[in-house]
Amino acid sequence: EAGVTQFPSHSVIEKGQTVTLRCDPISGHDNLYWYRRVMGKEIKFLLHFVKESKQDESGMPNNRFLAERTGGTYSTLKVQPAELEDSGVYFCASSQGLGLNRAKNIQYFGAGTRLSVL
Amino acid sequence: GQQLNQSPQSMFIQEGEDVSMNCTSSSIFNTWLWYKQDPGEGPVLLIALYKAGELTSNGRLTAQFGITRKDSFLNISASIPSDVGIYFCAGAPRDYGQNFVFGPGTRLSVLP
Repeated sequence: EAGVTQFPSHSVIEKGQTVTLRCDPISGHDNLYWYRRVMGKEIKFLLHFVKESKQDESGMPNNRFLAERTGGTYSTLKVQPAELEDSGVYFCASSQGLGLNRAKNIQYFGAGTRLSVL
Repeated sequence: GQQLNQSPQSMFIQEGEDVSMNCTSSSIFNTWLWYKQDPGEGPVLLIALYKAGELTSNGRLTAQFGITRKDSFLNISASIPSDVGIYFCAGAPRDYGQNFVFGPGTRLSVLP
């Protein structure tokens, strides 16, 4: 079974440009999460989808970030326009479900997209 | 907001040595997870803990959910070169329907 896949693995762009990151969750996982890790810091939550709906987007830094999950399958995270402080590794994770069975809440991570804004 | 602290930030050990690292919080968590990230990869789940006081092993790894619910530790016995990586703890403040809070990680280097 395929794990969480992210594309691209690396992206180098100039300040002011637009970048779109893609995440394909594990098949059948309704929950999809975006995280970001800035150099040396913690992995920080950005937002959480349940199917196609945004369950929690409290971690999104500002309105330059737009996440979508049309059809409840793959998700995209667009940064427009990109700023220098947006550099970091963007992780996507998915989990099977939510509920009292906490084992189903375990999140499985993709390899991340390393974004460098110059 | 909720925050996790991990110590040490980094450590260098000799192959064969045991390793201990911990994770603390000022608030209570109901689930603790330990992940490991290899270079160029995403974090991979090592151990999940669901009850205060729980002690769980996974091969050479052992982790415990602190009695106060505000801390957890991870031990690695007889370290080997492939243990190199960044170890993240993550906590969930409620039983379900929540997002995990991650610590900043402990970077482990194993010297041959």
